[in-house]
Amino acid sequence: GAVVSQHPSRVICKSGTSVKIECRSLDFQATTMFWYRQFPKQSLMLMATSNEGSKATYEQGVEKDKFLINHASLTLSTLTVTSAHPEDSSFYICSAPPPSRYGYTFGSGTRLTVV
Amino acid sequence: GENVEQHPSTLSVQEGDSAVIKCTYSDSASNYFPWYKQELGKRPQLIIDIRSNVGEKKDQRIAVTLNKTAKHFSLHITETQPEDSAVYFCAASKGATGNQFYFGTGTSLTVIP
Repeated sequence: GAVVSQHPSRVICKSGTSVKIECRSLDFQATTMFWYRQFPKQSLMLMATSNEGSKATYEQGVEKDKFLINHASLTLSTLTVTSAHPEDSSFYICSAPPPSRYGYTFGSGTRLTVV
Repeated sequence: GENVEQHPSTLSVQEGDSAVIKCTYSDSASNYFPWYKQELGKRPQLIIDIRSNVGEKKDQRIAVTLNKTAKHFSLHITETQPEDSAVYFCAASKGATGNQFYFGTGTSLTVIP
């Protein structure tokens, strides 16, 4: 149980276009979803926290107009990278706290490459 | 906010030897400390966790120790195997659910056959 499905796993887009990444909680309701970014050989850095039915909370230094987060239902949170640039190329991964004692479950991650 | 430091950044051990990774945290309110293993291009996988009311926890070849007073916790892997090679992240959180994790910078472990 407590599976988070993330799509797409890989995406290559042209500079200036937008990319949407989806995370779905498959067997539990995720009222909260955390979005992380991981550059090569670096740690996971929290970008924002999405809460179902309310505005996302962004970490300092993360542009909310560039990284649009929508958490319209208890099972779906989306991250849209708008007007992507090569420096946005990274591994994006979501995580949700499941209703279990085993802590967080991570999505499988999305490798974004902006060319 | 919380600040988690992790050392070493890289670690190479001979197969069969032990590996130790150490983390420190700054927020005394943190009470949940998971360890994740991440293989290249894959999601982090929880391998062991410890809560602040426990000083040590062991699961087969993996153990974690916590010193609340000193605000540090460590991962111990015994009898290392090549498949243990990966990047390991420690994290700290206020509770196992509902709050974000603050991750350490990661340790790239290489087990040499």
